[in-house]
Amino acid sequence: DSGVTQTPKHLITATGQRVTLRCSPRSGDLSVYWYQQSLDQGLQFLIQYYNGEERAKGNILERFSAQQFPDLHSELNLSSLELGDSALYFCASSVRGFSGNTIYFGEGSWLTVV
Amino acid sequence: AQTVTQSQPEMSVQEAETVTLSCTYDTSESDYYLFWYKQPPSRQMILVIRQEAYKQQNATENRFSVNFQKAAKSFSLKISDSQLGDAAMYFCAYRGTGNQFYFGTGTSLTVIP
Repeated sequence: DSGVTQTPKHLITATGQRVTLRCSPRSGDLSVYWYQQSLDQGLQFLIQYYNGEERAKGNILERFSAQQFPDLHSELNLSSLELGDSALYFCASSVRGFSGNTIYFGEGSWLTVV
Repeated sequence: AQTVTQSQPEMSVQEAETVTLSCTYDTSESDYYLFWYKQPPSRQMILVIRQEAYKQQNATENRFSVNFQKAAKSFSLKISDSQLGDAAMYFCAYRGTGNQFYFGTGTSLTVIP
């Protein structure tokens, strides 16, 4: 158990709908990362937050948005869903600072768009 | 941005044998960290091993060890006495001073009984 909690674990929704994925980082971790992994693909970095502020943005679509709340949990909002958005969405967390802290992954949220 | 390259999309190894997975990276930073993550069929991302760039000694975790060549910007993973449970996708990752993590495209390892 990495200590990173993601909900829901599985989600099936229709095209055009909106979903919210939730992530609770490890206790004490200030940074949250979101990654997308489509079938048989590598990890695509979406966005990073540190202590409530956006720190880096990767290949995140405009239909997607995220935020990190004062209690440090984060949510990834996916709207106007398309079939191609079906993927495994990972949340990961780490402590800020260049101390070699490792990025720890949650178990992921499986999103299926039908 | 830093790039991480895994040139071996697929590898296979006989059970109990040794296999080496390759990873190269591109960076202008002198201080950074390198990681290998394992993703079994369950799709969970599991940390295998970590290497600090300032350490010359190669990291070792039980049957897993790395060959870190800083000048060559190479970071290979050696799995000794391969077991069926080692079958997975392996990702190499880089973390620099910006606290961002960059991942390679992965190497799929098959362990043959």
